[in-house]
Amino acid sequence: GNSVTQMEGPVTLSEEAFLTINCTYTATGYPSLFWYVQYPGEGLQLLLKATKADDKGSNKGFEATYRKETTSFHLEKGSVQVSDSAVYFCALSPNDYKLSFGAGTTVTVRA
Amino acid sequence: EAGVAQSPRYKIIEKRQSVAFWCNPISGHATLYWYQQILGQGPKLLIQFQNNGVVDDSQLPKDRFSAERLKGVDSTLKIQPAKLEDSAVYLCASSLGRDTDTQYFGPGTRLTVL
Repeated sequence: GNSVTQMEGPVTLSEEAFLTINCTYTATGYPSLFWYVQYPGEGLQLLLKATKADDKGSNKGFEATYRKETTSFHLEKGSVQVSDSAVYFCALSPNDYKLSFGAGTTVTVRA
Repeated sequence: EAGVAQSPRYKIIEKRQSVAFWCNPISGHATLYWYQQILGQGPKLLIQFQNNGVVDDSQLPKDRFSAERLKGVDSTLKIQPAKLEDSAVYLCASSLGRDTDTQYFGPGTRLTVL
């Protein structure tokens, strides 16, 4: 079946630090891959996505590259801000467009 | 453009009581989803509608959960009777069509069953 494994949190960083959240997946075929973010008190928002191998999704300074050979979609940001504090979810969607989510990683950025 | 609306935002009930959640998707979105998000876990799909028809309800505990989208717009999810393990955030999402992979989520309803 389809599944997503994310790096366990919580992750605590200082402002301007480099952030990486690991995500690996298991799926049949070639799914689309997503990162969703949930800020405190808000709903899930799509952060970025990639629909085929070697695609790079990017948004708000975050990037993730679809790596078919390692079945990974790691999220990175070069310099985090306090406003990046949130829960980050990796997800996949195979051809039937049903999302399967990872467990989420809580990130706290301190000033 | 208005986002996905959900109500209520919070609900506390006792076990064996019933509860209903409401969702209004983004205007023009044909596909509507209900997810259950238990604390510390990612959202899990409960049911997917395409217009007013059910596409997938394989993960819906049908002995106690029901959902409808009678006019193909807003939707209601009901739990009757509730159990302690139903405590979770219930998320509604919508997308333009079944073949569109970007889903837009509402703020969720946090249910606590005592």
